[in-house]
Amino acid sequence: NAGVMQNPRHLVRRRGQEARLRCSPMKGHSHVYWYRQLPEEGLKFMVYLQKENIIDESGMPKERFSAEFPKEGPSILRIQQVVRGDSAAYFCASSQNRDQPQHFGDGTRLSIL
Amino acid sequence: AQSVTQPDIHITVSEGASLELRCNYSYGATPYLFWYVQSPGQGLQLLLKYFSGDTLVQGIKGFEAEFKRSQSSFNLRKPSVHWSDAAEYFCAVGFGNEKLTFGTGTRLTIIP
Repeated sequence: NAGVMQNPRHLVRRRGQEARLRCSPMKGHSHVYWYRQLPEEGLKFMVYLQKENIIDESGMPKERFSAEFPKEGPSILRIQQVVRGDSAAYFCASSQNRDQPQHFGDGTRLSIL
Repeated sequence: AQSVTQPDIHITVSEGASLELRCNYSYGATPYLFWYVQSPGQGLQLLLKYFSGDTLVQGIKGFEAEFKRSQSSFNLRKPSVHWSDAAEYFCAVGFGNEKLTFGTGTRLTIIP
């Protein structure tokens, strides 16, 4: 049973470009969570999605960031017009339901030039 | 707002010695509690979790943690560490299993 798959593992963008991060949850998991980890810090919650629905986006920046989890395909975290401060590791986690623990992917390291 | 404190940024332990990593939380109710381990360049692996019931929980890799409501603590322990335990350890809390709040982590170094 494959784990949570994130791609790409590393992504380099120039300021002003768009970044798209993908997350395929574990088989049978319909709940997806995105977290951001800045250097030397813990993970910060960004958004919680179920299939086709955003359940909690209280940790998402108000501008430039969006997330989706379509009926088919992976969850996407999209960052428009990236800035240097967006450089971080972005982790996706999935769970089977609200009562089961979250399982994490290996993350996408985003670097902004 | 909920918060998690891991007061030790970095701990060094000799191989074979015992280990205790501290975690304190501030929360409006008894939260769900978790310990995760992160190796360099990797994602987080769940070591153990506490939802309810027995306050001493056993996890993988020989780790255990004890929930103490009176102290708002959930400390992680291992009786004898191995060199492969060197990693970053994160305590996390949540209301239910959804939006988790993480501590800033404790980096564990193992010396021969």
